Amino acid sequence: DSGVVQSPRHIIKEKGGRSVLTCIPISGHSNVVWYQQTLGKELKFLIQHYEKVERDKGFLPSRFSVQQFDDYHSEMNMSALELEDSAMYFCASSLDWGVAEQFFGPGTRLTVL
Amino acid sequence: GQQVQQSPASLVLQEGENAELQCNFSSTATRLQWFYQHPGGRLVSLFYNPSGTKHTGRLTSTTVTNERRSSLHISSSQTTDSGTYFCAMVHTEGADRLTFGKGTQLIIQP
Repeated sequence: DSGVVQSPRHIIKEKGGRSVLTCIPISGHSNVVWYQQTLGKELKFLIQHYEKVERDKGFLPSRFSVQQFDDYHSEMNMSALELEDSAMYFCASSLDWGVAEQFFGPGTRLTVL
Repeated sequence: GQQVQQSPASLVLQEGENAELQCNFSSTATRLQWFYQHPGGRLVSLFYNPSGTKHTGRLTSTTVTNERRSSLHISSSQTTDSGTYFCAMVHTEGADRLTFGKGTQLIIQP
């Protein structure tokens, strides 16, 4: 599969816990964007990194941090999880910043109990 | 306010009928994409169509940039077309922040 890879696909955590979501972009893509979707509603922009540098931040809670590594994969570290963090988390990658179509991964479903 | 408005919110059709989904946006879109979300959650990009008309199979997307609207037409609908369709746009040149509409839930009955 040459698409965007996300792991894990489904994770269950207790309130107050921590979680790490991973995104591997399409080979050659250095732009990675994260979105959150709650209860099947519209996706909300969280954060974007291009060439390992944060370029834009949206609704990302301060309890979350995102980092992009040398091979352009991205990790979202989530701490002090709250019930309302339960959602689908999608990452998308594109070839360049600001001009290209975004390709989405399959998403990670996070359930906080 | 809501920058991307989709209509209808839901649509129920019989198999074989055509579906027309609309997307209106409140500011000039530099990029526009249509997505299909499977009932299981997977999001698939259907069209990257900032302007003009594009076709793929039974799907046609038409974006009229200066009128700030886009449409997705599905001809001869099939039960497998059932799911949620989202349009999303970027309204700032050089940005990557896609703003999504609330989606149209399409149900195709056999």
